[in-house]
Amino acid sequence: AQTVTQSQPEMSVQEAETVTLSCTYDTSESNYYLFWYKQPPSRQMILVIRQEAYKQQNATENRFSVNFQKAAKSFSLKISDSQLGDTAMYFCAFMKLDIYGQNFVFGPGTRLSVLP
Amino acid sequence: DTEVTQTPKHLVMGMTNKKSLKCEQHMGHRAMYWYKQKAKKPPELMFVYSYEKLSINESVPSRFSPECPNSSLLNLHLHALQPEDSALYLCASSQIGGGNTEAFFGQGTRLTVV
Repeated sequence: AQTVTQSQPEMSVQEAETVTLSCTYDTSESNYYLFWYKQPPSRQMILVIRQEAYKQQNATENRFSVNFQKAAKSFSLKISDSQLGDTAMYFCAFMKLDIYGQNFVFGPGTRLSVLP
Repeated sequence: DTEVTQTPKHLVMGMTNKKSLKCEQHMGHRAMYWYKQKAKKPPELMFVYSYEKLSINESVPSRFSPECPNSSLLNLHLHALQPEDSALYLCASSQIGGGNTEAFFGQGTRLTVV
């Protein structure tokens, strides 16, 4: 079974600064996907960024980038130029595609507060 | 349209009530999911429907009864719930296969059992 760990329950950052959220996972699978989802107070889970395990290049999406270390099973999220709208709960997720669709395993989450 | 729509947004029900949660998507996704999320916890998978057939039931009590009437609609029928079932219920949808990995989530139904 897969497990996902986020060791930082809460973090805060000043507006316009950079912050890094940590995530580690455990799996025996070789082909899988990793995601960061954010959940603002509106409750909707919103995809921030995804990484295919077979790709060595770290994914980047505007102000969001990841540091994917497959051997170390580490998948951290860096948010640059933090904005007030980035305030949310951030979940790291492991996903393996199977014939039924997707099977997500979420980490416990990190609550990020962006301070003005 | 990249929306998953859930109704109602809030629901308060007694332990003897019967109610249903509804989820709808028009993205042509053939996998639909129910998740339960307790406060300050991550979502936990309850059910997966693939091609309108129940493919995964994560040992959910029978007081939760899912239904997938067609490829766009997913229901969750609730009966004789307990106060500990109070939670946010999230619906999601995704394609199956083709390497497409994005799941779209609805805003959830916040359920309170009294």
